[in-house]
Amino acid sequence: QLQLQESGPGLVKPSETLSLTCTVSGASISASSPYYWGCIRQPPGKGLEWIGSVYYSGSTHYNTSLKSRVTISVDTSKNQFSLSLRSVTASDTAVYYCARGAAASGLISWGPGALVTVSS
Amino acid sequence: DIQMTQSPSSVSASVGDRVTITCRASRDISVWLAWYQQPPGKAPRLLIYSASSLETGVPSRFSGNGSGTDFTLTISSLQADDFATYYCQQAHSFPLTFGAGTKLE
Repeated sequence: QLQLQESGPGLVKPSETLSLTCTVSGASISASSPYYWGCIRQPPGKGLEWIGSVYYSGSTHYNTSLKSRVTISVDTSKNQFSLSLRSVTASDTAVYYCARGAAASGLISWGPGALVTVSS
Repeated sequence: DIQMTQSPSSVSASVGDRVTITCRASRDISVWLAWYQQPPGKAPRLLIYSASSLETGVPSRFSGNGSGTDFTLTISSLQADDFATYYCQQAHSFPLTFGAGTKLE
């Protein structure tokens, strides 16, 4: 049974970098296409926003409005993938989710989410 | 980017009612559309993929339809567990995009 678990700092100061790690259990992160690994966020009381996705090969796709600040990478040795969001502001406060997706099938499995607050 | 427009933004219904939610894509996405259910305070759950395929374990009262730009999610007979927020998402191409959500209350 695939499980994903987000881990992060909980609180990040404005202008700093938000780092989130997604740990995968029950499956290998090296699973080949059509699977990919993704990050999604949800500001308090608002809708879902896709941040980006990464294939085990390292190939990435990012949200158009965030791509200048985002990096998602895979660490196959730890069966993890990670999100880095630079130069954060209060508007980056959200619950951040990790997920596994498949081409044309959507985001199949989700982690429980982790709240990250941007505040001084 | 492909824009996804959901309607209505909220709907009031009762147990046993039939409810339909619509989603429109800004351009042709064939059948590459997914629907999610998000209960309050929980992570989203995939209900339907490829516009009409039911994810494993999802009750048969949920159904999806459509192709091209217009899609629907129907719940045939509402149960208490179904009161949640529903999102559509296009899976046609990156960047992936979601609708704004429909709150069922």
